[in-house]
Amino acid sequence: KNQVEQSPQSLIILEGKNCTLQCNYTVSPFSNLRWYKQDTGRGPVSLTIMTFSENTKSNGRYTATLDADTKQSSLHITASQLSDSASYICVVSARNTNAGKSTFGDGTTLTVKP
Amino acid sequence: DAGVIQSPRHEVTEMGQEVTLRCKPISGHDYLFWYRQTMMRGLELLIYFNNNVPIDDSGMPEDRFSAKMPNASFSTLKIQPSEPRDSAVYFCASSLSRTGHPQYNEQFFGPGTRLTVL
Repeated sequence: KNQVEQSPQSLIILEGKNCTLQCNYTVSPFSNLRWYKQDTGRGPVSLTIMTFSENTKSNGRYTATLDADTKQSSLHITASQLSDSASYICVVSARNTNAGKSTFGDGTTLTVKP
Repeated sequence: DAGVIQSPRHEVTEMGQEVTLRCKPISGHDYLFWYRQTMMRGLELLIYFNNNVPIDDSGMPEDRFSAKMPNASFSTLKIQPSEPRDSAVYFCASSLSRTGHPQYNEQFFGPGTRLTVL
């Protein structure tokens, strides 16, 4: 069964600090992995998408890594800001499937405090 | 572009009533998705359409749920009759396919409809 597990479930950090969120998956055959940011009361917004051949991708202060061998991904946030407080969702899609067949993680809730 | 538009943003209804949620995808997008999000189950895909045709409705919880897409710019998700356990945030998302690689589509989500069934 395809699964995506995220850790930690929640995280509190001080403004300006760095943090790393983890995503482990069992989706096979792997196609791509996305990280979404979801602010409270809003829909998810895509941060990065990574395919099998990519192991690092950055979007401003957000850097995602992918290890397709161990089926792990991480999202590193540098110099956190109060606006980074949100839920971060990892989504993994399988190859050779319909477009909608993605597996969603339960998300990590990040709180950045001043 | 205004992005994906959903209405209403909030809906409160009583058990047994019919509820209709509406979605206008981003113009030109050929995929449309309906999701439900709850604290207990996270984000769940209910159904998705490609070029207005339902492709996979295996996520629809039961016959009380139905979805239609009469044209490329409008879709509805209907619950009849509604039950308290249907209370959730319902998201609509749309995407534009890249030829031969639909799994790489970036999905753009609407703001969601918060449904409360009393």
